[in-house]
Amino acid sequence: KAGVTQTPRYLIKTRGQQVTLSCSPISGHRSVSWYQQTPGQGLQFLFEYFSETQRNKGNFPGRFSGRQFSNSRSEMNVSTLELGDSALYLCASREIPGTGRENTQYFGPGTRLTVL
Amino acid sequence: SQKIEQNSEALNIQEGKTATLTCNYTNYSPAYLQWYRQDPGRGPVFLLLIRENEKEKRKERLKVTFDTTLKQSLFHITASQPADSATYLCALDDQAGTALIFGKGTTLSVSS
Repeated sequence: KAGVTQTPRYLIKTRGQQVTLSCSPISGHRSVSWYQQTPGQGLQFLFEYFSETQRNKGNFPGRFSGRQFSNSRSEMNVSTLELGDSALYLCASREIPGTGRENTQYFGPGTRLTVL
Repeated sequence: SQKIEQNSEALNIQEGKTATLTCNYTNYSPAYLQWYRQDPGRGPVFLLLIRENEKEKRKERLKVTFDTTLKQSLFHITASQPADSATYLCALDDQAGTALIFGKGTTLSVSS
């Protein structure tokens, strides 16, 4: 099976702009999560989608949003970019929807966002 | 809220030695704990999952222990090789069971 794919891989934006990142999960995986990774804060959970519904959201401002489509593909959007939004944004998918306690995530390569 | 800490930011060892990485957590009793490997510029890759009722888990040269009394997991790489050089992350599930909380990672460097 093909792994999780993310596009674009690299992105440079300026403050105040908005950006949309895309993620295609592993075939058959219905849950998609997004994480932000920075050197200072490490990996931090943004949100999780299952069956087009956001089931969980991390402690991020409302400028960060996402959605999931019927084919499980997901997008995340960041509006009014700030310098501190520069990070590696990782998408992860998993098959088990969380009704058990298994939560192994399969990560994509990430999108490196630089805000100038 | 849950907190997870990996004691060492960096660990340098010689090839052939055993690397031991530590992960401690507070304010939570997770049903399981996971370890991931991350190489520069890439997403984390799942290595091992250990459940609360398992004391030890092995996979090839990797061994993980889980002490729910100490709230600690140890991750061992035996007969380490330069190819094992990477950042290793421990993670546990949040109480909703839909997100992972990660430690900041330990960067392991194995020299030949």
